[in-house]
Amino acid sequence: DGGITQSPKYLFRKEGQNVTLSCEQNLNHDAMYWYRQDPGQGLRLIYYSQIVNDFQKGDIAEGYSVSREKKESFPLTVTSAQKNPTAFYLCASRPGIRSGELFFGEGSRLTVL
Amino acid sequence: RKEVEQDPGPFNVPEGATVAFNCTYSNSASQSFFWYRQDCRKEPKLLMSVYSSGNEDGRFTAQLNRASQYISLLIRDSKLSDSATYLCVVILAPRMDSSYKLIFGSGTRLLVRP
Repeated sequence: DGGITQSPKYLFRKEGQNVTLSCEQNLNHDAMYWYRQDPGQGLRLIYYSQIVNDFQKGDIAEGYSVSREKKESFPLTVTSAQKNPTAFYLCASRPGIRSGELFFGEGSRLTVL
Repeated sequence: RKEVEQDPGPFNVPEGATVAFNCTYSNSASQSFFWYRQDCRKEPKLLMSVYSSGNEDGRFTAQLNRASQYISLLIRDSKLSDSATYLCVVILAPRMDSSYKLIFGSGTRLLVRP
């Protein structure tokens, strides 16, 4: 079955530690995205990538980093510079740049203690 | 002003009721519109696209009003399983890098009671 796999589903980390969230897709989609969702709020775009070896900052990129070395993979690192990292992180991919359909992973819930 | 705004709710309705939500957008260059459904602590999933002439999918009807810059979602004969958060999504015209930006509303929460 094609889809997007995020891991880990739940993650607890101490303040000051970097954390990397994995996102893998086998849908052959070029575009991939990372969103953050806080309680009662909509999705906010962190980073996106339209092709391999290229990525762009979204609206809230500070304190995050990404890489896109392979089409299937778009990992997100939450660095110690991110001031409020506790959130629900969603990775998504999109079949085409005009498509409104985003395919989401199940999300990673990060809690910083 | 937010680019996409929704009433957060919750809308608390009895089973069988008809309920409607609106979503307003501020950018007149908005090209495409969609409704997503998100269950508690789960990922959003596409519910339906919104076409200019309005469209229906079973108990769900989506409408677009370009003049007033809003989209709507009507749910007839509400079921308990309709309880979720409904997010509207707007796609803006292409930017300099030719990407089409998606903007999510913060969602409207629906609770259907027995």
